[in-house]
Amino acid sequence: RKEVEQDPGPFNVPEGATVAFNCTYSNSASQSFFWYRQDCRKEPKLLMSVYSSGNEDGRFTAQLNRASQYISLLIRDSKLSDSATYLCVVNNWGTGRRALTFGSGTRLQVQP
Amino acid sequence: DAGVTQSPTHLIKTRGQHVTLRCSPISGHKSVSWYQQVLGQGPQFIFQYYEKEERGRGNFPDRFSARQFPNYSSELNVNALLLGDSALYLCASSSQGQETQYFGPGTRLLVL
Repeated sequence: RKEVEQDPGPFNVPEGATVAFNCTYSNSASQSFFWYRQDCRKEPKLLMSVYSSGNEDGRFTAQLNRASQYISLLIRDSKLSDSATYLCVVNNWGTGRRALTFGSGTRLQVQP
Repeated sequence: DAGVTQSPTHLIKTRGQHVTLRCSPISGHKSVSWYQQVLGQGPQFIFQYYEKEERGRGNFPDRFSARQFPNYSSELNVNALLLGDSALYLCASSSQGQETQYFGPGTRLLVL
């Protein structure tokens, strides 16, 4: 079983739609969680951190459910520019290393 | 300020050769991590260095090695290249005590 699992998609949605991605992680001791965005042939860029209390940044909302070990990302009012791959990322502090464990990504295609 | 820089941007090698990839972190960042991303997958952790010392190593063979210099730049070396080493190699830097990792544009390696 992969440490971080995501539905690869693609999710094809019209502009203005609301879309949600989920991600599950296997290590219950995981401490930190993130969503990164990666455009085609580019490097990953931090979209937002994910906290147990949930957090929102404009059209983006992230939630963490520690009991069920899943993380979600909600995008409201989708824009064409939101088309990208969204990577769910977990950081395990057990060994003190600042290494990120990535899911394989969920591809979003927003259509006009 | 400049972000993370990597060189070269693209590289073509043949099986059995070795390769050296370079990374300069964001000014003031002392930690550098290396990741391998093959097509269709999320980045996989290879190494982390902090203050010139190895702090973590992923599940990669001994053909992969790295080092960090006094100016905190880093090199990733891969010996005896295999076709399966073809990937995007990403370098990420982070500041002491902070989790957020910032990625460079990557080096795209093709092994023929």
